[in-house]
Amino acid sequence: EVQLVESGGGLVQPKGSLKLSCAASGFTFNTYAMHWVCQAPGKGLEWVARIRSKSNNYATYYADSVKDRFTISRDDSQSMLYLQMNNLKTEDTAMYYCVREGHYYGTFAYWGQGTLVTVSA
Amino acid sequence: DIQMTQSPASLSASVGETVTITCRASENIYSYLAWYQQKQGKSPQLLVYNAKTLAEGVPSRFSGSGSGTQFSLKINSLQPEDFGSYYCQHHYGTPFTFGSGTKLEIK
Repeated sequence: EVQLVESGGGLVQPKGSLKLSCAASGFTFNTYAMHWVCQAPGKGLEWVARIRSKSNNYATYYADSVKDRFTISRDDSQSMLYLQMNNLKTEDTAMYYCVREGHYYGTFAYWGQGTLVTVSA
Repeated sequence: DIQMTQSPASLSASVGETVTITCRASENIYSYLAWYQQKQGKSPQLLVYNAKTLAEGVPSRFSGSGSGTQFSLKINSLQPEDFGSYYCQHHYGTPFTFGSGTKLEIK
């Protein structure tokens, strides 16, 4: 059974930093691209970032809204996915989901339960 | 970036009815369109990808159609567990973008 468990969310002040983690199990982690997707309270879904597998050189992609502030990374030896969030803004307040890509490019097949990030003074 | 326009924003229907949700892309995305269901307080679940391919375990009362810029998700014979929010998403390339969602409520 695929499991994705996020952690690391919390309350942080504007311009602060936070690092989210996602522990993956139940599948061969190192062969799949992984994503972060967020959802502001009461709002819709927004794709944040994608990281490909080692065989694709761990290539990374970001939404314009987080480029140069967020960094997605992975540790295949630990089956862990990360999101380093710097220079946080109030508009970054959201539930952040760790997502495993499906067998088809760009599809979000498995989702974690999410971790809530609140950016407020 | 590709904009996804979803309609209606909300929909009220009864158990047993058939409903259709539509999604329009701002440019040609061929068949690279997915649909997700999200129940209140839960994570989204993939329903359809490549416009019409049902994800594993998704009931056959769900069906997707369309190509190019116009897509739809049809739910036949609504069941109580089908109520929630639905989102379309293009998977043509980054940045992946979602529609604004359709909230399906019980009449």
